Amino acid sequence: SQQGEEDPQALSIQEGENATMNCSYKTSINNLQWYRQNSGRGLVHLILIRSNEREKHSGRLRVTLDTSKKSSSLLITASRAADTASYFCATYTGKLIFGQGTTLQVKP
Amino acid sequence: EAQVTQNPRYLITVTGKKLTVTCSQNMNHEYMSWYRQDPGLGLRQIYYSMNVEVTDKGDVPEGYKVSRKEKRNFPLILESPSPNQTSLYFCASTPQMRGGWETQYFGPGTRLLVL
Repeated sequence: SQQGEEDPQALSIQEGENATMNCSYKTSINNLQWYRQNSGRGLVHLILIRSNEREKHSGRLRVTLDTSKKSSSLLITASRAADTASYFCATYTGKLIFGQGTTLQVKP
Repeated sequence: EAQVTQNPRYLITVTGKKLTVTCSQNMNHEYMSWYRQDPGLGLRQIYYSMNVEVTDKGDVPEGYKVSRKEKRNFPLILESPSPNQTSLYFCASTPQMRGGWETQYFGPGTRLLVL
């Protein structure tokens, strides 16, 4: 399996609910990034969490990192229809490697 | 406006007909790269360039060429396209690539169909 795997592959929720997606990776990292991709468009950087950080917030986004488990989670609180997108984690191991992404659908 | 631009955005071509997808960034970034995105396979890096005149293969370089004659431009060349190169292509840039600290800025994508 690849460095950086997201789980679940797809997630469907109602507007106002929280969405949680997870990323697991294999090797030691300096940091982990999360990106968002609206359908068929370029990825947009959301947040970076350093390996010595456990949690980071940005607006409605909360990212956690557990280096002992080699995993990270992205929580979107009070989701909106506009949050419908694919979300990717990315780790650096000599080069930036993206996971396969979680597709989030937020129903109005 | 700081951005990465790609042209064309959509392209239908036939097997064997050489094509070039252009990529340009206006942020004076040193590092540029090309990715392809396919269902179930995620983003895979094709080629990257650490700086002008410095290019290297990514994970899936077969069938592609690149050049980096100027800092701002990083064209992707398909000398003899084949149907398995049908994909969504993204160009990306970042100030440098040292330790993965830098944000990658992505272009809008080029959807290529090879018949």
